[in-house]
Amino acid sequence: GDSVTQMEGPVTLSEEAFLTINCTYTATGYPSLFWYVQYPGEGLQLLLKATKADDKGSNKGFEATYRKETTSFHLEKGSVQVSDSAVYFCALSPGFQKLVFGTGTRLLVSP
Amino acid sequence: DTAVSQTPKYLVTQMGNDKSIKCEQNLGHDTMYWYKQDSKKFLKIMFSYNNKELIINETVPNRFSPKSPDKAHLNLHINSLELGDSAVYFCASRDGADQPQHFGDGTRLSIL
Repeated sequence: GDSVTQMEGPVTLSEEAFLTINCTYTATGYPSLFWYVQYPGEGLQLLLKATKADDKGSNKGFEATYRKETTSFHLEKGSVQVSDSAVYFCALSPGFQKLVFGTGTRLLVSP
Repeated sequence: DTAVSQTPKYLVTQMGNDKSIKCEQNLGHDTMYWYKQDSKKFLKIMFSYNNKELIINETVPNRFSPKSPDKAHLNLHINSLELGDSAVYFCASRDGADQPQHFGDGTRLSIL
């Protein structure tokens, strides 16, 4: 079945460090891919998305590229801030309505 | 202004009770969802409704019964609550298969 695998957290970084959170997926067909972010005590917010191979999604300095050959959608940011501390979820949409989520990766950024 | 709103935000109750969580979206979306997030933050879909019709039911115990009176509302009723039902329940809505889902702020259910 469809699944998403994310790197285990927490990821602990100092402010202004470079961030990579790995995400790989297994799916039949050509799913859309998403990154969601969950700040403490809040619901999930869409961070970025890509709907086809080689698409790059970007938002708020975060980027991820849909790589069909490696079935990956890694999240990157060049310089993290304390306010980026949150849980990040990679997800895929197989096309029949639902989202399949990864297990989430907690990011902790210290000043 | 709120796009997807859930009530209540917190729900503390005893084992064996019956409770409901309400969800409303003002985005005009056709599809609504319920997700369960466990203590390890793992998110799993429970139900999906499209224009008031059930389209996804992911092996959820039949103690959980969703109800969609219209396409803007999707409520979740839970009978005979068990300790394992303690979790955060998220409502979401979407308009189209490739579109992102919009989430509510969640309902934290604690079973004593």
